[in-house]
Formats: sequence, structure tokens, C-alpha cells
Amino acid sequence: NAGVTQTPKFRILKIGQSMTLQCTQDMNHNYMYWYRQDPGMGLKLIYYSVGAGITDKGEVPNGYNVSRSTTEDFPLRLELAAPSQTSVYFCASSYDLAGTTGNTGELFFGEGSRLTVL
Amino acid sequence: DQQVKQNSPSLSVQEGRISILNCDYTNSMFDYFLWYKKYPAEGPTFLISISSIKDKNEDGRFTVFLNKSAKHLSLHIVPSQPGDSAVYFCAASTITGKLIFGQGTTLQVKP
Repeated sequence: NAGVTQTPKFRILKIGQSMTLQCTQDMNHNYMYWYRQDPGMGLKLIYYSVGAGITDKGEVPNGYNVSRSTTEDFPLRLELAAPSQTSVYFCASSYDLAGTTGNTGELFFGEGSRLTVL
Repeated sequence: DQQVKQNSPSLSVQEGRISILNCDYTNSMFDYFLWYKKYPAEGPTFLISISSIKDKNEDGRFTVFLNKSAKHLSLHIVPSQPGDSAVYFCAASTITGKLIFGQGTTLQVKP
């Protein structure tokens, strides 16, 4: 059971380059999320999706784009990489919203993608 | 604007003793709270949660307490074990389902 799979695990980009972080889940979860973790800053929500074809902004969406064409996949795109986007990125999925009756709202996280922009 | 705050960056306790990790929040609309544990080079994993209609939830060695009037929650680990050494994040959610995380507290349990 793979759970949430992220690729690549590591990447170095030059300023201005673009790239896509891939995320796929095999749990048939409707909800998917992208977070970034900066040192001492916890996890910040970038974008999230409540189902195929539906996405919405989180706390720190600037500089990123997402799409959700299938239930399984939720790629995160960086169009013009900047040093401020150096971070560890985590994709996550959940069965239902936190607090929904009978559900803890637990998020299942991938192992993370470490991105450095030089 | 940090809506969920973990003011202690680190905590060190002796094996077998109690570990208490604290979390404060500012948004009274939060109605669900979760704790996650994170080991290096891994994604966070869910630990325990609590609804705002409760003041305590227990799961084995882990207990979460919620004080709504003080907008404060805490995670108690009893007894602490060396394998509990990790970064602990508290998170809060509104009806929209978006989780807002705190900065994390690094727990070290010494043998």
C-alpha cells in the first residue's frame, strides 16, 4: 500500500526555472493538500483540493499553481522559481474533512520533496 | 498572523517521565484539533485529535486536553519513551477542513 507518493525527493533549481512536484495517492481520497515547511515555521498550506476539478488557495499560494484532473493526482507547479521557494514540500490527502462525523480528518502525508532554488 | 502557536521550540525529558507539549490558538472558529508527529526525512503522521465539544481525549500513552476558554490545548505523553523523540505539531481546523499548523516542538526523550 503506497499511500501518498511524491516525486522528486530532492531538486535544485536555478532562479527563474520552472518545475512540477508530482503527488499521487492510492487511497481514493477526495481531499488533497500541498504544504511547505520552512525551518521553525511549521507547515503552511499552499493549495488544496476537495475533489477532481476543484482547487482553492491556502495560506501561501503566491508563486504556485495546481491542477486536479483526477482523484489520484495533485501536481504543484512552480513557474518562476525564486530563492524564497526553497523549502520542503509535503503533499497530503484525507478521506474527509476534519471533524466530520465519524472521521478524525487525519491527513496522510508523503515523505516530502526538498527543493533548493539558487 | 500565526493562528496556531507552539511557543516552546524544544523540550527535553527523561525516559519514563511525563512530556507535556503545549499549543495556543487565536481563532475561536476552530472546531477540531489534531497532533502530528514527525521524524526526520519523513512526512508527519497523525497522533491524536479532539473535537471542540470535548475537553479530553485519550489514546494509550497519549492524552490531549482542550481548554476552550483559554484557547489552549496540550498533549501529554506518559510514560515518555526514547522512540517518542520527534517534532510534534499541533493543528487546528475550521468547518472548511483546512488544517492550520503550529511551528512545532522538538521533543527529546533521554534514556
